[in-house]
Amino acid sequence: AQSVTQLGSHVSVSEGALVLLRCNYSSSVPPYLFWYVQYPNQGLQLLLKYTSAATLVKGINGFEAEFKKSETSFHLTKPSAHMSDAAEYFCAVRVDTGRRALTFGSGTRLQVQP
Amino acid sequence: DTGVSQDPRHKITKRGQNVTFRCDPISEHNRLYWYRQTLGQGPEFLTYFQNEAQLEKSRLLSDRFSAERPKGSFSTLEIQRTEQGDSAMYLCASRDDSGNTIYFGEGSWLTVV
Repeated sequence: AQSVTQLGSHVSVSEGALVLLRCNYSSSVPPYLFWYVQYPNQGLQLLLKYTSAATLVKGINGFEAEFKKSETSFHLTKPSAHMSDAAEYFCAVRVDTGRRALTFGSGTRLQVQP
Repeated sequence: DTGVSQDPRHKITKRGQNVTFRCDPISEHNRLYWYRQTLGQGPEFLTYFQNEAQLEKSRLLSDRFSAERPKGSFSTLEIQRTEQGDSAMYLCASRDDSGNTIYFGEGSWLTVV
C-alpha cells in the first residue's frame, strides 16, 4: 500500500523567503505524486503533478517540485513566498492500478509573515 | 466546464437526523470519488464509482453511509442517524478514463450538534 508523510504540520516563512514543504512517499510500484493546495473553507486545487516524465515539475503560482526516487521524496518549493501563498498544502500519492484514488498526507499549513 | 459542484456547502444537523449531499462531477468524467476530511487532517478516501457502479468502499464507510450514482452522472452521499463524529467536510472529486488528475469540488461541511 502507498502512503505519504509530510514533515512539519506548520511552516512559517517571511514574505520573499524560500518556501520548502517536505513530502516523502512509500510505494511498492512507481507512483504518481501530486501537490494540492487548500484555502480556508474551500476544496483542493491541484498545484502540480509528477507522472513519470520529467523529475522536476513546475506548477501554478510559481511552485515546483522535484521527484527523487533515491530519497523517496517529492518536496515542494517556491523561491519567494507571497502573502497569498498562506494555505494548507497536501501531498498525495497514487498508483496506477484499480481505482487510482489518491492517498493524502496530513498536510502542512504554510504561514507567510509580512 | 464548471468544475465539480457540491451542494449544500454547509449543513448543520441535530444528532440522529439524516443528511444527504449531492455532487455533480465535471461533465463526461465517468470516475467519481468521495472523500472525508476532518480538521487538521488530509482527505480520506470513502468510496469510488465508475459510471453508475460503486466499485470500492472504504472501511470508513459505515453502514449508516450510503452513496449512489444513478445513471452515472451526479452522485449522492447519505448519512443516516448522524453522530457528532460525522462532523467533517465531505469532498467529491472526478476524473475521466484517461486522466491522471482528480479534480475536487469545494466540499460540503457537515456539523452535527
